[in-house]
Amino acid sequence: GAGVSQSPRYKVAKRGQDVALRCDPISGHVSLFWYQQALGQGPEFLTYFQNEAQLDKSGLPSDRFFAERPEGSVSTLKIQRTQQEDSAVYLCASSGGQRNEKLFFGSGTQLSVL
Amino acid sequence: AQSVSQHNHHVILSEAASLELGCNYSYGGTVNLFWYVQYPGQHLQLLLKYFSGDPLVKGIKGFEAEFIKSKFSFNLRKPSVQWSDTAEYFCAVMGYSSASKIIFGSGTRLSIRP
Repeated sequence: GAGVSQSPRYKVAKRGQDVALRCDPISGHVSLFWYQQALGQGPEFLTYFQNEAQLDKSGLPSDRFFAERPEGSVSTLKIQRTQQEDSAVYLCASSGGQRNEKLFFGSGTQLSVL
Repeated sequence: AQSVSQHNHHVILSEAASLELGCNYSYGGTVNLFWYVQYPGQHLQLLLKYFSGDPLVKGIKGFEAEFIKSKFSFNLRKPSVQWSDTAEYFCAVMGYSSASKIIFGSGTRLSIRP
């Protein structure tokens, strides 16, 4: 399909394990956002890319969280030494223009840390 | 810092009732404003947006929102709701700069009684 694709759809990790979450944005989209959504809450901003440049990473909760988009398309969010409080749905969104008039969201990756 | 406040966590209405969901934002500058909707089992999707011009904006499915700058508000309205409007609604704000992140509110769950 032509939408934003995220994988895996579900991830169960043991506390202390490293995880990597993948986002395939819509082809040609310049902007890419990562959000964290806890149960019953709104999406919390994590980080934002324009092409390969990470313009804002102010929402990353700790230095255990790292995101990259090396070629300006696919992005990976990595969480090292996962903790229970990292359990959430991680959403990726992309936008075709720099003005971000419309975000297209993926289905998210539901991360459960045991 | 940017922030968004949605006053109602859960709203329950009967079909044909009128709807107004509150949204207030905090941002020290020119803003762009959005309402996104998440229907059960679906992705977040854009309902409507305000970038400039007429402060009363119309979106899909009969929804509209009014930007009142003096009140820092962007309330969502619909004159007559349908059962299919059952969903989670999120207000969001973005600064005018192209490098600005998009911040979401905590959401309002709307339940429509048939």
